[in-house]
Amino acid sequence: DGGITQSPKYLFRKEGQNVTLSCEQNLNHDAMYWYRQDPGQGLRLIYYSQIVNDFQKGDIAEGYSVSREKKESFPLTVTSAQKNPTAFYLCASSNGISYEQYFGPGTRLTVT
Amino acid sequence: QKEVEQDPGPLSVPEGAIVSLNCTYSNSAFQYFMWYRQYSRKGPELLMYTYSSGNKEDGRFTAQVDKSSKYISLFIRDSQPSDSATYLCASAPYGQNFVFGPGTRLSVLP
Repeated sequence: DGGITQSPKYLFRKEGQNVTLSCEQNLNHDAMYWYRQDPGQGLRLIYYSQIVNDFQKGDIAEGYSVSREKKESFPLTVTSAQKNPTAFYLCASSNGISYEQYFGPGTRLTVT
Repeated sequence: QKEVEQDPGPLSVPEGAIVSLNCTYSNSAFQYFMWYRQYSRKGPELLMYTYSSGNKEDGRFTAQVDKSSKYISLFIRDSQPSDSATYLCASAPYGQNFVFGPGTRLSVLP
């Protein structure tokens, strides 16, 4: 059963703590993406990776970090430097840039 | 001006109606287009992926791209209450990342 999994579904953290969101895909896609979704706004790209051991900043990378050590996995760390981390985070994958993207179920992060 | 714009709605229609959802974009280099359906607190589900101008049909859904006016549409025939969701459009130039619109909230009333 191919797809993208994200965990956990809900995450609560205290301000000042780093937190890592998991994203795994078994679609054999080369490219993976992290987006942030806030109410009334479109998806905003945080980071993306086109190949293992390589990734690029998106439009809102400040306060976030990623790694791509395996083709299937693209974890996102929300650091304490992110000013407004409470949001819905979505991971996606595709065969390449400009190809159709498939999304995971999302992680809702709440920082208080 | 945002690169991809959508009327946020909400758009309310009776069950069985034909729904027209629209996006406009500003970058004439955009040539790849996607439509997603997103239920509340869920990940977006890909409905349509199209390239360049023209129509593409898949079941009750038809995507239409008019590059001359930078306008993309999604038509839903025989709308059902289960179609009630937020619909996102996205556009990209060749070799670059997609830009997403803010979404239109649709409510299909039984």
